[in-house]
Amino acid sequence: NAGVTQTPKFQVLKTGQSMTLQCAQDMNHEYMSWYRQDPGMGLRLIHYSVGAGITDQGEVPNGYNVSRSTTEDFPLRLLSAAPSQTSVYFCASRPLGLELAGGIEDTQYFGPGTRLTVL
Amino acid sequence: GQNIDQPTEMTATEGAIVQINCTYQTSGFNGLFWYQQHAGEAPTFLSYNVLDGLEEKGRFSSFLSRSKGYSYLLLKELQMKDSASYLCAVRGLYNFNKFYFGSGTKLNVKP
Repeated sequence: NAGVTQTPKFQVLKTGQSMTLQCAQDMNHEYMSWYRQDPGMGLRLIHYSVGAGITDQGEVPNGYNVSRSTTEDFPLRLLSAAPSQTSVYFCASRPLGLELAGGIEDTQYFGPGTRLTVL
Repeated sequence: GQNIDQPTEMTATEGAIVQINCTYQTSGFNGLFWYQQHAGEAPTFLSYNVLDGLEEKGRFSSFLSRSKGYSYLLLKELQMKDSASYLCAVRGLYNFNKFYFGSGTKLNVKP
């Protein structure tokens, strides 16, 4: 299993450009999510999905769009990039229904991250 | 959201024991996670607590007190490879699908 994969690893954009960050998982997890990580602020949830066709907002959704057409893929779209979106973006997945089991079965599995710079 | 507080940085010596604390708002809690993150890499799961008490996993232990909104991660027999950031995260009480992370504690292990 490849786990959670993300592309690209690095990206530089100019203000106003659009792009899509790709995320895929091969563990058949229902739940997928996007976080951004900024220095001194920890991971913040942008959007998440609990299955194909179902998405919801996290803490910092503004400026980002998502869709979930398959279980495997959960792309993150920046429609008009801004310097404030310079960050490291992590995608994560986890199985649902194990919240009471706890332990490693209930954890999120993170992708390797995409480092985005907006000039 | 949650106010999750962790020390920014700690330094400890190889072979020693270190305790990393995490405090959070007691309302809206449904499980606390600890992750390890090496520089430039993704976070990886270390431990999970939902009930009060100590969970031990080899050199790593995690403690939770729900009434105090307090957790700690204990690392024993420190090794150089333990130099990393340690992230505390809580799951939302009313929404199992929302997770809130602290800003992380950077641990430096010196020889």
